[in-house]
Amino acid sequence: GNSVTQMEGPVTLSEEAFLTINCTYTATGYPSLFWYVQYPGEGLQLLLKATKADDKGSNKGFEATYRKETTSFHLEKGSVQVSDSAVYFCALSDPRSFQKLVFGTGTRLLVSP
Amino acid sequence: SQTIHQWPATLVQPVGSPLSLECTVEGTSNPNLYWYRQAAGRGLQLLFYSVGIGQISSEVPQNLSASRPQDRQFILSSKKLLLSDSGFYLCAWSVGYYEQYFGPGTRLTVT
Repeated sequence: GNSVTQMEGPVTLSEEAFLTINCTYTATGYPSLFWYVQYPGEGLQLLLKATKADDKGSNKGFEATYRKETTSFHLEKGSVQVSDSAVYFCALSDPRSFQKLVFGTGTRLLVSP
Repeated sequence: SQTIHQWPATLVQPVGSPLSLECTVEGTSNPNLYWYRQAAGRGLQLLFYSVGIGQISSEVPQNLSASRPQDRQFILSSKKLLLSDSGFYLCAWSVGYYEQYFGPGTRLTVT
């Protein structure tokens, strides 16, 4: 079946550091890939997406590239801010499954000043 | 633009009491609707999804149920809550084969 694996957290960084959160997936067919962010006490917000191989999703300084050959969708940001502290979820969808999303377990990011 | 509402925002209920959580979507028609649960410090578990009025699919057998009485309304219910039902409940919507958009969530504590 489809699955998503994320790196364990928490990831602790100082402000302006470079961020990478690893995400790999297993899927049949050609899934779309997403990163969601959850701030404390809130719902999930879509951060970025990619729908086919080699697509790069980007938003708010975050980027992720859909790598079919390595089945990966790593999240990166060149310079994190304290306000980026949140839990980040990688997810995939398979159009053959009524657009159900399969989520990773989430990675907590803590950014200190 | 589309918006999604959930209420209540927080709820404290005793074991054995009933539950009703409501989700409504505005600004779109015939969305797919979803209920997720997020236990403390854990990932998301899909509970139910619906592709149309009266059409409910259950992902996990449990003492919860869902209903969709109107196109943009999705209700999560229980007749008797268990301690293990505590968690953060999230409603989401999507249209066609696109990404899902989540509501603000309801934090349920069963005591």
